Amino acid sequence: NAGVTQTPKFQVLKTGQSMTLQCAQDMNHEYMSWYRQDPGMGLRLIHYSVGAGITDQGEVPNGYNVSRSTTEDFPLRLLSAAPSQTSVYFCASSRTGLSNQPQHFGDGTRLSIL
Amino acid sequence: GQQLNQSPQSMFIQEGEDVSMNCTSSSIFNTWLWYKQDPGEGPVLLIALYKAGELTSNGRLTAQFGITRKDSFLNISASIPSDVGIYFCAGQGGAHNDMRFGAGTRLTVKP
Repeated sequence: NAGVTQTPKFQVLKTGQSMTLQCAQDMNHEYMSWYRQDPGMGLRLIHYSVGAGITDQGEVPNGYNVSRSTTEDFPLRLLSAAPSQTSVYFCASSRTGLSNQPQHFGDGTRLSIL
Repeated sequence: GQQLNQSPQSMFIQEGEDVSMNCTSSSIFNTWLWYKQDPGEGPVLLIALYKAGELTSNGRLTAQFGITRKDSFLNISASIPSDVGIYFCAGQGGAHNDMRFGAGTRLTVKP
């Protein structure tokens, strides 16, 4: 069972470069989301999607774009990377966005911006 | 935004001891969840709580959803070395039903 798959696992970028972090789930989940994890701050929601074609901003959306063209995939784009975006990024999914549907996480992408 | 205060930040205990950690919030949540994260991996769901006052167990783990819907605790009984990791509380609710996380409790278990 693949669950939530994130690629790449590690990436180093230079300031100003663009990049797309990939997230795919094979559980036919409607709800997908992106978080960033920084030391001492837990996980913070960047963007989320309640279904194909629908996205919305979370707590810290600035500097990131998302799209949801299929149920399975939810890529996160950094258009012009900044050192402040150095973090560990987690993608998560759940069957729906209802509060009785816990989210399941991928293993993360560790991103460093120089 | 909604903030979760999780305590303690870290714990160092001997194998066999019981552990207790908690989360409080200034806002009400519909769901409280507890996750564990091992190094290099994503958070894994331990327990989900859906009703105020609910007390749920998962093996040696017990968690409760506070009556006010603004707090939750997690207890681990008879700790073992594999309990080592970072434990996160999360509350789900609000206008977009998104999740907010606590800053985590880092647990170290000495054999």
